[in-house]
Amino acid sequence: GQSLEQPSEVTAVEGAIVQINCTYQTSGFYGLSWYQQHDGGAPTFLSYNALDGLEETGRFSSFLSRSDSYGYLLLQELQMKDSASYFCAVRGDSWGKLQFGAGTQVVVTP
Amino acid sequence: EADIYQTPRYLVIGTGKKITLECSQTMGHDKMYWYQQDPGMELHLIHYSYGVNSTEKGDLSSESTVSRIRTEHFPLTLESARPSHTSQYLCASSEQNEQFFGPGTRLTVL
Repeated sequence: GQSLEQPSEVTAVEGAIVQINCTYQTSGFYGLSWYQQHDGGAPTFLSYNALDGLEETGRFSSFLSRSDSYGYLLLQELQMKDSASYFCAVRGDSWGKLQFGAGTQVVVTP
Repeated sequence: EADIYQTPRYLVIGTGKKITLECSQTMGHDKMYWYQQDPGMELHLIHYSYGVNSTEKGDLSSESTVSRIRTEHFPLTLESARPSHTSQYLCASSEQNEQFFGPGTRLTVL
C-alpha cells in the first residue's frame, strides 16, 4: 500500500532547531513537498525536492534521500510564529497529484 | 500572493440540502484540486482536474461531483448533504511543483 509516516507532534523552545522526518512508501515518486498550515488557515508551500540532497530557503531546509524513501524538514532559529502543522507530501505522477502525510504539529514555547 | 478564492467560508445546512462550494483562481492554472480535511488530520484528495472538461475522482471516495467548464472555475456540488459530509473543503491550483490553496469552506451538516 501507499503510506507516508511523520511524527504527530514536536515541541521545542524559541531559538531551537527542529527536524521533522518523513518516510514514504508510494507506487510512484517524482518528488517530496512540505507544506505549513496554521490553525484555521490554508496550507502554504514551503519546499519541493526532486533530487537527493539538501535545499535551503532561509531558516527552513529540506532534505531528500530517494534510495532511503526518506526526507526531512529542518526548522532553524525557531520563532513563535512557526507553531503550526507541517505536512510532507509525495508527488506521485507527472500530473502533480499529491499524497499527504498526517502532519506534524510543531509547538514552540517561550 | 496566491489568487484563489473559495465561497462560502462557512456553511451550516440541514440534511438533504443541495449545496455548491465555489472555487475560482485568477492565475490561469490548468490543474485544480479539491481536498477534504478534518480538524488536525491529513488532506485527502477527492477530485482533480487537468484542464477544461477534464475531471477525475481522487483517492478518497466522495459523494460530491465537480465540473470544469472554465479554466478559472472549479465548483464542487453535493446533491444531498449528510452529517458525514461535515468537514473542511480546500480547493487548490498548481503550477510546476507548488500547489496554491484557497482559504477553505468549513461545512457543517446538521
